[in-house]
Amino acid sequence: NAGVTQTPKFRVLKTGQSMTLLCAQDMNHEYMYWYRQDPGMGLRLIHYSVGEGTTAKGEVPDGYNVSRLKKQNFLLGLESAAPSQTSVYFCASSYSWQHNQPQHFGDGTRLSIL
Amino acid sequence: DAKTTQPTSMDCAEGRAANLPCNHSTISGNEYVYWYRQIHSQGPQYIIHGLKNNETNEMASLIITEDRKSSTLILPHATLRDTAVYYCIVRALTGANSKLTFGKGITLSVRP
Repeated sequence: NAGVTQTPKFRVLKTGQSMTLLCAQDMNHEYMYWYRQDPGMGLRLIHYSVGEGTTAKGEVPDGYNVSRLKKQNFLLGLESAAPSQTSVYFCASSYSWQHNQPQHFGDGTRLSIL
Repeated sequence: DAKTTQPTSMDCAEGRAANLPCNHSTISGNEYVYWYRQIHSQGPQYIIHGLKNNETNEMASLIITEDRKSSTLILPHATLRDTAVYYCIVRALTGANSKLTFGKGITLSVRP
């Protein structure tokens, strides 16, 4: 049981390039989330999804797009990468938002924008 | 979501209990207390959560004061692998956007 798997683990981009981060979960969870973590800032929610085909904005959505075409996958896209998007990105999933269903996290994607 | 206050860091000896405090004086009646931890270079890991009763699982115990304004996470027998940043989070169950708001957490260092 792999849980939540993020690919790639590391990436370096040039300003203006685009890329997609992939999150896959094998726990049949309905809810999936993308966070970014910056030094001194804690984790901040970028976008989330409450089910296949649905997405919603979190607290820092600008510059990112997401898609949930399959229940097990949640993709985070950067159309035109900027240095301010240098961060560690974490994906999480949960069965529901109910209190007895905690979020399970992947090990992160470390992204540097030059 | 209500804010939480945690000390910046603490340490304890291996094999001893680690008691991690958290203040959440503005917590409201529908908000739960969650604890997560993050070991270096890994994603956050769920530990435990509770509303008003004390909770225990295989990882830890959570003690919540009667007025719910503070709580303590207890790792009964700390090991070196418990060295991590521990986050105390309060979360309301107001819907699908009931997100986890991670603060700066407390860095626990377990010494041999």
